Amino acid sequence: QVSLVESGGGVVQPGRSLSLSCAASGFTFRSYAMHWVRQAPGKGLEWVAVISYDGGFKDYADDVEGRFTISRDNSKNMMYLQMNSLRPDDTAIYYCARVPIFGVVTLGNFDLWGRGTLVTVSS
Amino acid sequence: DIQMTQSPSSVSASVGDRVTITCRASQAISDYLAWYQQRPGKAPKSLIYATSILQSGVPSRFSGSGSGTDFTLTIRSLQPEDFATYYCQHYKSYPPTFGGGTKVEIK
Repeated sequence: QVSLVESGGGVVQPGRSLSLSCAASGFTFRSYAMHWVRQAPGKGLEWVAVISYDGGFKDYADDVEGRFTISRDNSKNMMYLQMNSLRPDDTAIYYCARVPIFGVVTLGNFDLWGRGTLVTVSS
Repeated sequence: DIQMTQSPSSVSASVGDRVTITCRASQAISDYLAWYQQRPGKAPKSLIYATSILQSGVPSRFSGSGSGTDFTLTIRSLQPEDFATYYCQHYKSYPPTFGGGTKVEIK
C-alpha cells in the first residue's frame, strides 16, 4: 500500500518552533522528490517547500524562507519540516506530497498526498 | 511568480449536469498544468496532469484541455461523489502555484 503519513502537528505559541514528519511506505522513497504543501483553514492550497530525491536541492516559498528547513532521511523513508519563528499565519494543515518522476526532476504534479497534520499557531 | 486564476469560484449543479471550470495562468506554462479534487476534510486527490492526462483510476467523465495560458476541466455527467472543490496547479517553474479553487455544489 503506497502511502504518506504526516505527524508532529499541534498548538504552538507565536515565535516558537515545531517539527513535522512525513513517513513514506510502499514505494522507493529515495527515488522521488518530495514537497510540503499547506492549507490554511477554509483557504486554498499553498506550496511550502521541496527537496530532491537525494537532498541535494531544496527550495522554499518566500514566506517561509529562512524560517523553515526541509530535510529527508532516505534510510528511514522519512521527510521532515523544521519550522522556526512560527507566526499565526502559519496556521494550516500541512501535507506532504510526492512528484511522480524518478530522479533529478523535482517539479511536477503531485500524485500522492498524505492526510495532513494541523499546525495551530496561537497564544 | 506565475498566478493561477480559477473561475468560477463556485458553481451549483445537478447530478447529470456538465460542469466546466476554467484556469488561467498569468504567463504561458505550456502544458504543465494539473487538476486536483478535494472533498471536505480530505486531502487533495490528483485528477489530471500534463493538462489532459487522467491519473490512474480517475473516471473518464473527467477531462482536461488547453495550452499556454488557458485551461479547462470538464466533468461530463456530474455524479454525487463529484461534489467537491477543484484546484488547478502549474508546475512550469518555482514556485508552483495553485488556483483559488472552484467549489462544485449541489443545486
